[in-house]
Amino acid sequence: QQQVKQSPQSLIVQKGGISIINCAYENTAFDYFPWYQQFPGKGPALLIAIRPDVSEKKEGRFTISFNKSAKQFSLHIMDSQPGDSATYFCAAGYQGGSEKLVFGKGTKLTVNP
Amino acid sequence: DGGITQSPKYLFRKEGQNVTLSCEQNLNHDAMYWYRQDPGQGLRLIYYSQIVNDFQKGDIAEGYSVSREKKESFPLTVTSAQKNPTAFYLCASSILLGEQYFGPGTRLTVT
Repeated sequence: QQQVKQSPQSLIVQKGGISIINCAYENTAFDYFPWYQQFPGKGPALLIAIRPDVSEKKEGRFTISFNKSAKQFSLHIMDSQPGDSATYFCAAGYQGGSEKLVFGKGTKLTVNP
Repeated sequence: DGGITQSPKYLFRKEGQNVTLSCEQNLNHDAMYWYRQDPGQGLRLIYYSQIVNDFQKGDIAEGYSVSREKKESFPLTVTSAQKNPTAFYLCASSILLGEQYFGPGTRLTVT
């Protein structure tokens, strides 16, 4: 019930293409879904986050799509660039509770020039 | 310069020794967290604290200990009881009900 399943484990995309990373959760009590971007040897940085009351949130080239009934959410990176090459983590948590985040296992994205 | 600092960046210890990892934040955040990251495993919560002098175990607390004597500081001790201590350790902080922000991490190697 506490797991967040993330796929794919790795992804290779050509420059200019669309990168899509998917996550699924079981616990319907989760009400906060952030995405983090991590470069090698660095700490994760918050990229974008969504609450269940909206189905989509866009910030620049990054979009989160959220399907509450399917308990799934995804990150879309439009016009992917080599600088987007990093590991991406989805997470789920309770903004009204203990604030513990449950993380997916990560997706290593490589954008080829 | 506001942020979260972790020191040192790299740490080497012999098996059987306790080691303490430092985490300091000047963001005036109430909550602080410690995560462990292993290749292909994502981030796993070790301990978290929402207020000074109080902390709770996360999912993998065995072999670790923490203290929260000051709002700005949340040190993590990796004890000799931790069976596989070699990992990348990440500290994070947040305001209550806010997003978590991470420090740069400490890579601990125990041989």
